[in-house]
This record gives sequence, C-alpha cells and structure tokens, in this order.
Amino acid sequence: ETGVTQTPRHLVMGMTNKKSLKCEQHLGHNAMYWYKQSAKKPLELMFVYSLEERVENNSVPSRFSPECPNSSHLFLHLHTLQPEDSALYLCASSQGLGTGDEQYFGPGTRLTVT
Amino acid sequence: DQQVKQNSPSLSVQEGRISILNCDYTNSMFDYFLWYKKYPAEGPTFLISISSIKDKNEDGRFTVFLNKSAKHLSLHIVPSQPGDSAVYFCAASGSGGYQKVTFGTGTKLQVIP
Repeated sequence: ETGVTQTPRHLVMGMTNKKSLKCEQHLGHNAMYWYKQSAKKPLELMFVYSLEERVENNSVPSRFSPECPNSSHLFLHLHTLQPEDSALYLCASSQGLGTGDEQYFGPGTRLTVT
Repeated sequence: DQQVKQNSPSLSVQEGRISILNCDYTNSMFDYFLWYKKYPAEGPTFLISISSIKDKNEDGRFTVFLNKSAKHLSLHIVPSQPGDSAVYFCAASGSGGYQKVTFGTGTKLQVIP
C-alpha cells in the first residue's frame, strides 16, 4: 500500500448504529487530519493530530470521536449519527504542521446515514 | 461565512486553450495559498502553492497568480489537456506554526477534446 488509505470506501448505517472509519498513511508523516465534505460545501476540518496528540477539534459534535493510536493510523468512531452527517469523510496526512507541509489525502469514505 | 470563495462552480475549455480558475478570499491574515486537484473517487492532490511574498509561481503548465491588494488568486493551465478535467480546490492559510487550511467549494473543469 502507498500513500493514504481509507476503509471502508462506502458505508451505510442507521442512526442507532456504531461504526468506525479507518485511515492509514504509509508516508512516514507526523500529522493526520479528518475532513468532512458535504455536497456543494467546502471541505470542513474536523480534527487534527500531531504525533498522536489532538491539536484541533473544530467544534465537532460528540457523536464523532477520533482516535490516533500512533502516527500512522487514525480512526473516526461514529455513533447515533443524524441523516445530515451523510457526507464524504476524507483523511489526510502531512509531514508536519508547518505552512509548507502540504496535505496528502486518502480517497475518502462515502457515508450514508439512514 | 466563506473565507475562500470560488464563484464559478464549473468551467469548460477546449483542449489546447488556456484554463483560468479564479479564487477570492476575505481574510487578510491569509498569506499562503494552495491549489488542489480532485478526480472522481479519489482524494484531492496538491498541485501548486504560492506565498504572499510572491505574485507568481509556475510549475510546468500550471501557473498561480496572486493579487494581494484584490485578495484574488488564479490558476492558469496552458495548454489544457483532457486529463486536466477534474475539480480544482483553492485553499488558504496563515503562516507560522500550525495554521488551519481553509478550502473553497471547488470549480469543476472540463477540457473538451
């Protein structure tokens, strides 16, 4: 595997389910991110981790719970979601958090909440 | 309130001609700007960036122009190729330490053979 991988690629879940999204980066980067992309809206930053420590929590509802067990893996745990949470969830990584540290994105998980 | 705006949701250009994608921003603290390109079923990929100390940055067929006084930047693709058909996102951040990157809504470019 190379780059940033995300599983699953598609997920349909009911509002009472609990599921997790997984992201893995194979680039040796130190920072990882979760973004949400809804139709016709900009990418919304959700969480940022640097060296497994959370550095940003962008006013995300508690039904989204991130976990970063090491610098290569990032999870997004989901529970009691709402239909408006249906979106494309993108994971990204970067070497660091500096201005020139461009982010590398995974292909995303298309989430549908029914 | 969107701080990075891409007012054209789509653009069609003939192969071989110039594609110009525009982006406006409102936050005067932004001083680093990026363009990302996204194909369907893939994540965005970094294309080119520019710092506010420059007004132009070129990489092959891609050139980004920055007009700080107008808070406007543009991406020029010359010549356009069918493989350039994708969604292009403009993004901006401040500089120094950790700075959140703010993205626009994207412009879908179609290059017609």
